[in-house]
Amino acid sequence: GNSVTQMEGPVTLSEEAFLTINCTYTATGYPSLFWYVQYPGEGLQLLLKATKADDKGSNKGFEATYRKETTSFHLEKGSVQVSDSAVYFCALRETSGSRLTFGEGTQLTVNP
Amino acid sequence: EAQVTQNPRYLITVTGKKLTVTCSQNMNHEYMSWYRQDPGLGLRQIYYSMNVEVTDKGDVPEGYKVSRKEKRNFPLILESPSPNQTSLYFCASSRTGGLGSYEQYFGPGTRLTVT
Repeated sequence: GNSVTQMEGPVTLSEEAFLTINCTYTATGYPSLFWYVQYPGEGLQLLLKATKADDKGSNKGFEATYRKETTSFHLEKGSVQVSDSAVYFCALRETSGSRLTFGEGTQLTVNP
Repeated sequence: EAQVTQNPRYLITVTGKKLTVTCSQNMNHEYMSWYRQDPGLGLRQIYYSMNVEVTDKGDVPEGYKVSRKEKRNFPLILESPSPNQTSLYFCASSRTGGLGSYEQYFGPGTRLTVT
């Protein structure tokens, strides 16, 4: 079956530091890949997505590139802010389906 | 405003007392789903629905029921809640098709505690 593995957290950074959160997946076919973000006390929001190999999703300074050869979709940001503190979830969705498979989530804390 | 709403947002109940968590979306989405979120486990799917009167089990359906009588509503029913169902629950909806690329929209969550 499908699965998503995220780097273990929590991750604590200082403001303006570089962020990488690793995500690898196992799936049949060619899934779509997503990063969702959950701010404290809120539901999940889509941060970015990529639907085919070599696509780069980007939003709010975050980027992730769909790497089929390494089955990865790592999230990066060049300079994090305190307001980026949240839980980040990597997820995949099968080509022919509607079901999302999530990773465990990574808690990010950014200190001033 | 496009949104998914859930009620209640917080609920404390006792073992065995039937409860329903409502979910409604105003985007005319075909697909709706329930997830539970537990520390270290991410989000796990409980049930989903591809359209009206079409529902199916997710990864952790035991102890839950759902119904989809109208396109906009997808209530989650706990007939006899137990403490291991204490969790944070999310409802989500999306369009279908599109090679799986449509995003899911999430409700704000329902924090359930069963004592």
